[in-house]
Amino acid sequence: RKEVEQDPGPFNVPEGATVAFNCTYSNSASQSFFWYRQDCRKEPKLLMSVYSSGNEDGRFTAQLNRASQYISLLIRDSKLSDSATYLCVVNILNTGGFKTIFGAGTRLFVKA
Amino acid sequence: GAGVSQSPRYKVAKRGQDVALRCDPISGHVSLFWYQQALGQGPEFLTYFQNEAQLDKSGLPSDRFFAERPEGSVSTLKIQRTQQEDSAVYLCASSLSARGTYEQYFGPGTRLTVT
Repeated sequence: RKEVEQDPGPFNVPEGATVAFNCTYSNSASQSFFWYRQDCRKEPKLLMSVYSSGNEDGRFTAQLNRASQYISLLIRDSKLSDSATYLCVVNILNTGGFKTIFGAGTRLFVKA
Repeated sequence: GAGVSQSPRYKVAKRGQDVALRCDPISGHVSLFWYQQALGQGPEFLTYFQNEAQLDKSGLPSDRFFAERPEGSVSTLKIQRTQQEDSAVYLCASSLSARGTYEQYFGPGTRLTVT
């Protein structure tokens, strides 16, 4: 079983739709959590950090459930420019520092 | 300000050749990471430096892979005797934090093709 798992999609949604992605992680030593966005043939860029209390940034809402070991991302009022791959990222604390694990990504296509 | 830079952007190597990939992190960033990304997959962790110390190299796929960051800034990932399965994009990232709580900033990657 992979340490961080995501539904690969693709999710095909019309403009204006609400779409939600989930991600599960298996290592209980996981300490910090993020969603990154990656456009085709580009490097990943931070979308938002994920906090236990949940956090919102404009149309984007992230939630963390430590008990069930899953992270979610909700995108409201989808725009064409939201089309990208969304990567779930977990930092695992270990004796040497920490290690960063990426999920394989969920592809989103927003259509006009 | 300058972001993370990587060179070369593209590298074609014949099987068996050695390659060296360079990463210039953001100035002052303590942490530096190398990842390998195959087509359609997320980045796979290779190794992590905190300043000049390589604290985790558990992701390096074989002893043909070697990374260094001798002065705590620029890093080099070396792959000896390249194989076709080494073909991938190699991403470097840096972070201000030594505790993993801050954002990682990625370079544009080096696309390695082994023929």
